[in-house]
Amino acid sequence: AQSVTQLDSQVPVFEEAPVELRCNYSSSVSVYLFWYVQYPNQGLQLLLKYLSGSTLVESINGFEAEFNKSQTSFHLRKPSVHISDTAEYFCAVSAFSGGYNKLIFGAGTRLAVHP
Amino acid sequence: KAGVTQTPRYLIKTRGQQVTLSCSPISGHRSVSWYQQTPGQGLQFLFEYFSETQRNKGNFPGRFSGRQFSNSRSEMNVSTLELGDSALYLCASSYPSGTDYNEQFFGPGTRLTVL
Repeated sequence: AQSVTQLDSQVPVFEEAPVELRCNYSSSVSVYLFWYVQYPNQGLQLLLKYLSGSTLVESINGFEAEFNKSQTSFHLRKPSVHISDTAEYFCAVSAFSGGYNKLIFGAGTRLAVHP
Repeated sequence: KAGVTQTPRYLIKTRGQQVTLSCSPISGHRSVSWYQQTPGQGLQFLFEYFSETQRNKGNFPGRFSGRQFSNSRSEMNVSTLELGDSALYLCASSYPSGTDYNEQFFGPGTRLTVL
């Protein structure tokens, strides 16, 4: 079975400051890793994913995450945040099995960017 | 291309009633997954349907059921509603290749309130 732990439930940060949202996972099999973002009253949007290859993955809006297999982590970082980054962020894993998969989510981290 | 649509967006029911939620996937997508999001339990996988067959199921009681139609639209039903069923129900669709990862696209959700 897989599980995901997001170490911070809330992260307050000032605009233009760097931020790191932490995610650790456990799994006995290889997994795919994801970060989703949820804005108020909306569904989930995929921010970035790690499937294979380079352990550093980037999104189009400046976020990046690094897969660390030895530490079973997939932390999300951004060097300079904007007010518009205020949202809830979910780390998730997916274990491919038999042609289908399901997402196991962490509890979420609420990022609050202050001016 | 239109995104995943869910109807209704908001719903209020009383304990003991039943409810049916609808999800229309992105055109061409054949897999539909359902998730429940609550403040206490977070995001939890309910089930996945592909080609009108349930092929993966989460750990929910039998009161939660679903189905998929030939046009890939899906419905989920909750019978004998309990207060704890109050949640945001998210639907996600994907175009499964059957061999590897398939990105899931989420709808805006249906907010169910049980009184």
